[in-house]
Amino acid sequence: EVQLVESGGGLVQPGGSLRLSCAASGFAFSDSYIDWVRQAPGKGLEWVAHIRDKVYSYSTEYAASVKGRFTISRDDSKNSVYLQMNSLKTEDTAVYYCARDGGKWSFDSWGQGTLVTVSS
Amino acid sequence: IQLTQSPSSLSASVGDRVTITCRASQGISTYLAWYQQKPGKAPKLLIYTASTLQSGVPSRFSGSGSGTDFTLTISSLQPEDFATYYCQYFASFPITFGQGTRLEIK
Repeated sequence: EVQLVESGGGLVQPGGSLRLSCAASGFAFSDSYIDWVRQAPGKGLEWVAHIRDKVYSYSTEYAASVKGRFTISRDDSKNSVYLQMNSLKTEDTAVYYCARDGGKWSFDSWGQGTLVTVSS
Repeated sequence: IQLTQSPSSLSASVGDRVTITCRASQGISTYLAWYQQKPGKAPKLLIYTASTLQSGVPSRFSGSGSGTDFTLTISSLQPEDFATYYCQYFASFPITFGQGTRLEIK
């Protein structure tokens, strides 16, 4: 069974940093592309970041709203993806989901999400 | 690519046939997916490449369209279908989502 489990969310002050983790199991993780998607309270879904596999040199993509502040990375030996979030703003408050690119131009598996609250 | 869903909300009864529309700001072939999200839960993939039903999704869900206009149809609403639905474009970056359609019980 495909499983994605996020962790690392919490309360942080504006300007602070936080690192989210996504632990994967049940599939060939090293061959997969993984994304982060967020959802602000009561709002819709917003794509955040994407990381490819070793074949594509772990290349990355970012939404304009987070580029230069967030960094996505992965450790295939730990079947994990990370999202390092720096210079956090109040508007970054959201539930952050990791999701698997199913290879069919869609996300076929999602984690349960982790809540990040940026507030003083 | 911007995606605009209509309506933003919809009230319907069990057994009704419901259609949700997603319009892209430019042609996107069939690179469109649909998701269902229930309160407090992660989104669930329903349909990819505009009309292909994800494994395990009931056949009352169907998708159609290509280019700029797409539809998600639920042929006969069931109580568990009341949720928010999102369309998504994925063929290039940035990946974008529609603003969502909230389907409520009448």
